[in-house]
Amino acid sequence: GAVVSQHPSRVICKSGTSVKIECRSLDFQATTMFWYRQFPKQSLMLMATSNEGSKATYEQGVEKDKFLINHASLTLSTLTVTSAHPEDSSFYICSPGTLNSYEQYFGPGTRLTVT
Amino acid sequence: AQKITQTQPGMFVQEKEAVTLDCTYDTSDPSYGLFWYKQPSSGEMIFLIYQGSYDQQNATEGRYSLNFQKARKSANLVISASQLGDSAMYFCAMRRSGGSNYKLTFGKGTLLTVNP
Repeated sequence: GAVVSQHPSRVICKSGTSVKIECRSLDFQATTMFWYRQFPKQSLMLMATSNEGSKATYEQGVEKDKFLINHASLTLSTLTVTSAHPEDSSFYICSPGTLNSYEQYFGPGTRLTVT
Repeated sequence: AQKITQTQPGMFVQEKEAVTLDCTYDTSDPSYGLFWYKQPSSGEMIFLIYQGSYDQQNATEGRYSLNFQKARKSANLVISASQLGDSAMYFCAMRRSGGSNYKLTFGKGTLLTVNP
């Protein structure tokens, strides 16, 4: 299957600071990138969808100014959590997509803890 | 809109036995795909099996099989000969057909525990 990496795998930051999470599709050209958030003992919830070179589309209830998504190339997308608060502590997972494949792969996830 | 329902928050199975994890869905898309993923405690999402809505036969992948009943809108996962390593969270998901650039909608998941 496709190789998708995320960095960092774990991050602890102080309230009010910003954190950037990188997602790379190493052998896969991702025309679309999905960003999910998963709280403990819950399912994955889609936060936003981005297409390479264009602005992201955010799901209802997700603040676009707080969760900045950049999808500048077919192999790299970033999610920046700005002015993080403890309630942003969660597991963030990226998932690249393309028209040419039915398979849907996921990055290994980033566990964010805001203190 | 799409909706996935997994009614079993938790399931227990004895090692070497078979277990069925339930999944029902609802969609207005005429063509769609159904997925099952395994999520161990590490958090990674592991793809298990895929069923297209127009596939005539039920999908199988090793010990995993998908019992697809289109008229009943169900896509249950059957795991045969359970192993201790099968203990994990299992998610059913669906997406409209056309490629992986369409979003997945997930169910709430079922936590499977395999007992020795």
